[in-house]
Amino acid sequence: DTGVSQNPRHKITKRGQNVTFRCDPISEHNRLYWYRQTLGQGPEFLTYFQNEAQLEKSRLLSDRFSAERPKGSFSTLEIQRTEQGDSAMYLCASSLSGGGLLGNQPQHFGDGTRLSIL
Amino acid sequence: GQSLEQPSEVTAVEGAIVQINCTYQTSGFYGLSWYQQHDGGAPTFLSYNALDGLEETGRFSSFLSRSDSYGYLLLQELQMKDSASYFCAVMRGGQNFVFGPGTRLSVLP
Repeated sequence: DTGVSQNPRHKITKRGQNVTFRCDPISEHNRLYWYRQTLGQGPEFLTYFQNEAQLEKSRLLSDRFSAERPKGSFSTLEIQRTEQGDSAMYLCASSLSGGGLLGNQPQHFGDGTRLSIL
Repeated sequence: GQSLEQPSEVTAVEGAIVQINCTYQTSGFYGLSWYQQHDGGAPTFLSYNALDGLEETGRFSSFLSRSDSYGYLLLQELQMKDSASYFCAVMRGGQNFVFGPGTRLSVLP
């Protein structure tokens, strides 16, 4: 178990540029989540995959954001035409499925990618 | 819509017991999770309650009352390393998780 890996750890870019982040989940985990976290706040849900299928996307996510998980393993999150308000920590988490309504598979988080927009 | 409320800060001394409350308002509630996050670190899972009652895991316990839309995390025998932010998170239908704003716990010697 090597944990959830995110790259890069930090990204600094100018407003208007496109950025792409990568997340490598724990290998046997079929669920993958993307969150955004700003200082002093809790993680904000962006989207979630089960295998390669994107099953849910937050209504807060503008069409400048897109996520993929082409082979059901790693995932990428792309932000187009970045804006100042996109500055945040972008967290990826993965989990197993199952557990039913009464059970819960804990999410394992990566260390995140910190995005700074100049 | 959905919302979760937690105290923003709690301070306690080593060896003490502290309770962090969480109230929620959401549709499609399945269960309540708790996560710990140290400064600069990733959130780590602590506990999950789907049914009413108390779940105990070592020094940490978590409680849920579905009828009151309320839960709490109880930390016993506090240690300096417990200084961190603690988030409650509601699991809704479709594996959609909504996190609270977090409670910053400071443990003093």
